[in-house]
Amino acid sequence: DVKVTQSSRYLVKRTGEKVFLECVQDMDHENMFWYRQDPGLGLRLIYFSYDVKMKEKGDIPEGYSVSREKKERFSLILESASTNQTSMYLCASSFWSGGGEKLFFGSGTQLSVL
Amino acid sequence: DQQVKQNSPSLSVQEGRISILNCDYTNSMFDYFLWYKKYPAEGPTFLISISSIKDKNEDGRFTVFLNKSAKHLSLHIVPSQPGDSAVYFCAASVGEGNNRLAFGKGNQVVVIP
Repeated sequence: DVKVTQSSRYLVKRTGEKVFLECVQDMDHENMFWYRQDPGLGLRLIYFSYDVKMKEKGDIPEGYSVSREKKERFSLILESASTNQTSMYLCASSFWSGGGEKLFFGSGTQLSVL
Repeated sequence: DQQVKQNSPSLSVQEGRISILNCDYTNSMFDYFLWYKKYPAEGPTFLISISSIKDKNEDGRFTVFLNKSAKHLSLHIVPSQPGDSAVYFCAASVGEGNNRLAFGKGNQVVVIP
């Protein structure tokens, strides 16, 4: 069965801390994504990667960076956490099915920045 | 500017009746449309999709209708079941193999037993 695993379900960090969110997929997918979900705003794309060491900015990349050193692992980094980065973070991997790009999501990490 | 719009943020429906979720888009280049379902504390899961060469796609209790001229699609759930209570996201993309989806804000569906 398809699996995308996010390292933490809940995280509490302080303003200014460096935060790492880790994601691992076991489906050998080329593409991986980081989204954040906020009430009333839906899913917004932060960054995605279509290959090892390759990345592209999404719609809201400011304040974030990413790392993809291995195909199965995609990390989201908050260089200096701020309170407006309190959110649900969702990692996904995907493949093209012919009926559209099918994303498989992890369970999410609820990050609170105090 | 949001390219995929889901109005009517919440919907309550009696078990056994039809649930209809609507989605409008502004980018006429979109040619693949997908619906995802999300339960609390879980990631979204893929539900059903449709390409622009079709106007209808059906999978069990779920049917998606596409009206390209109106830039509108809808998801019908018949009959609705309590397990369908979730947030539903509409998403769209341009071109084959394009891995960048634009998501709507989501609709909360509550199915009343």
